[in-house]
Amino acid sequence: GQSLEQPSEVTAVEGAIVQINCTYQTSGFYGLSWYQQHDGGAPTFLSYNGLDGLEETGRFSSFLSRSDSYGYLLLQELQMKDSASYFCAPFKTIFGAGTRLFVKA
Amino acid sequence: EPEVTQTPSHQVTQMGQEVILRCVPISNHLYFYWYRQILGQKVEFLVSFYNNEISEKSEIFDDQFSVERPDGSNFTLKIRSTKLEDSAMYFCASSVQPNIYGYTFGSGTRLTVV
Repeated sequence: GQSLEQPSEVTAVEGAIVQINCTYQTSGFYGLSWYQQHDGGAPTFLSYNGLDGLEETGRFSSFLSRSDSYGYLLLQELQMKDSASYFCAPFKTIFGAGTRLFVKA
Repeated sequence: EPEVTQTPSHQVTQMGQEVILRCVPISNHLYFYWYRQILGQKVEFLVSFYNNEISEKSEIFDDQFSVERPDGSNFTLKIRSTKLEDSAMYFCASSVQPNIYGYTFGSGTRLTVV
């Protein structure tokens, strides 16, 4: 079967670093993508890991360990505008339930 | 920056009516998708479309739903005989590659069935 787990909520303060974890069980895995969605908005592509290791894109980084079926999204220097939901997705057919990030001043 | 355009942004329809949701994918993208998101819930895959045919569909995408690419630019989702539970935000997306890498989503159509 296929399953995906993310924490439902994370709270952090402005300027801090936060890590959002994602564990998955899938067959035929290609890679892990991360999307951001603000309330009322569309999902926006953030990052993709096709291979093990860390991918860095500005303040956002994403990590993948295929052997552990695990990945995470790292957000640095948090800003208020980072308050949103973050989804991991190993397949187009599977989006995680999302982690709602609250950034406090 | 290229965008996926969806129209209308909001549609209200009576139960039992047919609706057509329209999308214009990014011009050089080859793969097209429809997703829906019921308020407060996760994004759910409906269907993917490539080379003028459905490449994959979910259990949600039953005979009530159909997709079409009527010309070189539009991609439509038709919902026949709408039900109250079809009320959701419907997102169109397109991509260059077929996996979940780098999809561009449209801003969505909020469908309200009354």
